[in-house]
Amino acid sequence: EVQLSESGGDLVQSGGSLRLSCAASGLTFSKCLMTWVRLAPGKGLEWVSGISGSGDSTSYGDSVKGRFTIARDNSKNTLYLQMNSLRAEDTAVYFCAKVQYYSDSNSYLFDYWGQGTLVTVSS
Amino acid sequence: EIVLTQSPGTLSLSPGERATLSCRASQSVRNNYLAWHQQKPGQAPRLLIHGASSRATGIPDRFSGSGSGTDFTLTISRLEPEDFAVYYCQQYGGSPPTFGQGTRLEIK
Repeated sequence: EVQLSESGGDLVQSGGSLRLSCAASGLTFSKCLMTWVRLAPGKGLEWVSGISGSGDSTSYGDSVKGRFTIARDNSKNTLYLQMNSLRAEDTAVYFCAKVQYYSDSNSYLFDYWGQGTLVTVSS
Repeated sequence: EIVLTQSPGTLSLSPGERATLSCRASQSVRNNYLAWHQQKPGQAPRLLIHGASSRATGIPDRFSGSGSGTDFTLTISRLEPEDFAVYYCQQYGGSPPTFGQGTRLEIK
């Protein structure tokens, strides 16, 4: 059974930094494309960032580009999201998700999700 | 990017009734790459439907998806108590992947 468990969410001041982690089990982690998705209060789900199985290819949504960094440690089956220069609008529950990549559309189908971790940015 | 609009925002029904949820895309979704996800409070979201109409592994057959192009529907034939949750559509026919705002299915 695939299990994804996020941690690291906290209350942080605007301009601050935070690192989220996602521990994975029940899958061959190094072969899996992984992503972060967030759900802000009163809004829909938003894809944040993605990373290839090897970690050598990454992508970001426009709203976080230049501020957030996705990384992984395949020896620990763990995914990370380093969040810098945090803003009030980054307040959300952050989910890690395993995805299937579709090359014809350069897009992702999210097939397994974690329960999420709450990040609150105070202004 | 493709914008997805879900309706209604909230749907109030009783167990045993039929639920019909709608998802409309701002442009045609390539290859009908449209998925539906279910989320219950405090739980991980769960993939229900992919490719507009294919059930994911382990999903009961009371859940069905239909549609093509810009208009898609999730139907739950007979609601069970555990089906009351928030449902999101998601397109992967364009980049970046995007989600609808969600439909909250609540007990009447």
